[in-house]
Amino acid sequence: EVVLTQSPASLSVSPGESATLSCRASRSVGSSLAWYQQKPGQAPRLLIYLASARATGIPARFSGSGSGTEFTLTITSLQSEDFAIYYCQQYNDWPRTFGQGTTVDIK
Amino acid sequence: QVQVVQSGAEVKKPGASVKVSCKTSGYTFTSFHLSWVRQAPGRGLEWLGWTSPYNGNTIYAEKYQGRLTLTTDTSTTTAYMELRSLRSDDTAVYYCARPGAGSAFDYWGQGTLVTVSS
Repeated sequence: EVVLTQSPASLSVSPGESATLSCRASRSVGSSLAWYQQKPGQAPRLLIYLASARATGIPARFSGSGSGTEFTLTITSLQSEDFAIYYCQQYNDWPRTFGQGTTVDIK
Repeated sequence: QVQVVQSGAEVKKPGASVKVSCKTSGYTFTSFHLSWVRQAPGRGLEWLGWTSPYNGNTIYAEKYQGRLTLTTDTSTTTAYMELRSLRSDDTAVYYCARPGAGSAFDYWGQGTLVTVSS
């Protein structure tokens, strides 16, 4: 199966600053990669699909890039509601797999 | 609008089975497959399997083969996940999820907590 490794495991950021999250795949997944945001007690919310396309209603401060095995989620000008756990997920191969998550918390 | 509503929390004893439902509405049920994902307390997301309401096809994560059954009922636009021989480490929130654009999971149920305890 495709193993997704996210880094860092956690990230402390001040409101208004930017955050860069990484997701590395054990083999190429093309552009079939998504990013999700999850807050405590809530289901995950799709942010980015096809590596760089923003899902409906997602603010422009969220952007995704990459292809193959290296992917990045960038959040610019972090707002209070952005502090959460972020997961990457590949849907190129079976089984579908998720990264272990990156926690973005307030510095 | 698309809605995905799951059944309520369950408490089961080890060795028992659980069946979670996922009622959908707001779209053509047979046009989109559904996946099931679980999250153990304090842990990450784990994909369990996939089902096609169109033809009943399924794909399961290897570790759940033989213990997991995914089904759909087109008459009620509901999907079901049954997990058998439950163990304490099956305690988790179980989600159903439907793709939107690009096959990523755009619509999620609210989650169903399954607690396995003697």
